[in-house]
Amino acid sequence: AQKITQTQPGMFVQEKEAVTLDCTYDTSDPSYGLFWYKQPSSGEMIFLIYQGSYDQQNATEGRYSLNFQKARKSANLVISASQLGDSAMYFCAMREGQDQAGTALIFGKGTTLSVSS
Amino acid sequence: DTAVSQTPKYLVTQMGNDKSIKCEQNLGHDTMYWYKQDSKKFLKIMFSYNNKELIINETVPNRFSPKSPDKAHLNLHINSLELGDSAVYFCASSQARTTPKGELFFGEGSRLTVL
Repeated sequence: AQKITQTQPGMFVQEKEAVTLDCTYDTSDPSYGLFWYKQPSSGEMIFLIYQGSYDQQNATEGRYSLNFQKARKSANLVISASQLGDSAMYFCAMREGQDQAGTALIFGKGTTLSVSS
Repeated sequence: DTAVSQTPKYLVTQMGNDKSIKCEQNLGHDTMYWYKQDSKKFLKIMFSYNNKELIINETVPNRFSPKSPDKAHLNLHINSLELGDSAVYFCASSQARTTPKGELFFGEGSRLTVL
């Protein structure tokens, strides 16, 4: 079974609009972390935002916020006021367990976001 | 200064050859990783090292051999290259315990093309 599911292969949004990228996860571990990364066409992986399983509030980083619904096991990324530079591939990822030493992130298949003017 | 650097960035080689990719991080992190990104952009963990000790060794052909001479370096050697090895290989590092996130810092990737 997939640990991280991103059901939207591609999303399209106009500049200045908000967009939500979906992510659901599957784990039986009560301690986990959820991450979103951006990969522009240039290829580098850019960390955007993190949500811990015990965090009470949804994470926010500038125009990025994470809509964390623990009971539904979803961790959707919301980008407000989209910009042309937001066009990229977006990956949701999870780390399970408390022992972080050497524990890898498991990635979803990604969503391609296209922002138009 | 680049935090996580990989060399070479591009590698084109023939089937059957042996090649290496080197990775260095100057962040003082204690954990390093190799990920493979295939043509469909799927990122899959291959190996992770913590303080030079192999922690994760996913189902990867034994033609792939990682080596960590010290905690700042993690190299990947690939023997007898096959067409299916063509991919982008990402090195990454993270630091447990000092931050709750332990997010991965990625290198720029090494694009391997096997002809």
